[in-house]
Amino acid sequence: AQTVTQSQPEMSVQEAETVTLSCTYDTSESNYYLFWYKQPPSRQMILVIRQEAYKQQNATENRFSVNFQKAAKSFSLKISDSQLGDTAMYFCAFMINTNAGKSTFGDGTTLTVKP
Amino acid sequence: DTGVSQDPRHKITKRGQNVTFRCDPISEHNRLYWYRQTLGQGPEFLTYFQNEAQLEKSRLLSDRFSAERPKGSFSTLEIQRTEQGDSAMYLCASSRLAGGPTDTQYFGPGTRLTVL
Repeated sequence: AQTVTQSQPEMSVQEAETVTLSCTYDTSESNYYLFWYKQPPSRQMILVIRQEAYKQQNATENRFSVNFQKAAKSFSLKISDSQLGDTAMYFCAFMINTNAGKSTFGDGTTLTVKP
Repeated sequence: DTGVSQDPRHKITKRGQNVTFRCDPISEHNRLYWYRQTLGQGPEFLTYFQNEAQLEKSRLLSDRFSAERPKGSFSTLEIQRTEQGDSAMYLCASSRLAGGPTDTQYFGPGTRLTVL
């Protein structure tokens, strides 16, 4: 069974600064996907960024980037130039590449961006 | 494309009652997933459909839970004889199986169930 651990229940950052959210996972699979999702207060979950395990290059999406360390089973999210709208719960998720599509989620990190 | 919708958004019921939730996926998305999310935790997988076929069910889905997806379009999740432990947010997501790398899951706003 796969597990996803987010060791930081809450974090805060000043507007315009950079913050890194941590995620570790445990699996015996070699072919999988990793995701970061954002869930704003009372709003639905949206995908922030995804990483295919077979790709060595770290994924980036505008101000969001990941540090994927496959050997260490670590997948952290860096948010640059933090904005007030980044305030949300962030979930790390894992999916085996079996074409089933179900994801295993961590328990989330609540990020607050302060003005 | 209007996104994934769920109805109702909130449901309060008394213990022992039956409840049914509906999920309308993004049109032409052939995969549909149900997750349950309790306060302070991440979503937990319950079940998923590919078209009208229910392909996998989690052990979390007890006999009191049943899900359907007739005609491969909308889906319903029914909970019979609700218990207080069923109180949670029930999330629906859909994706498009494109025959290549797994496509992105799009989540609905969820149905928050409170069992008194």
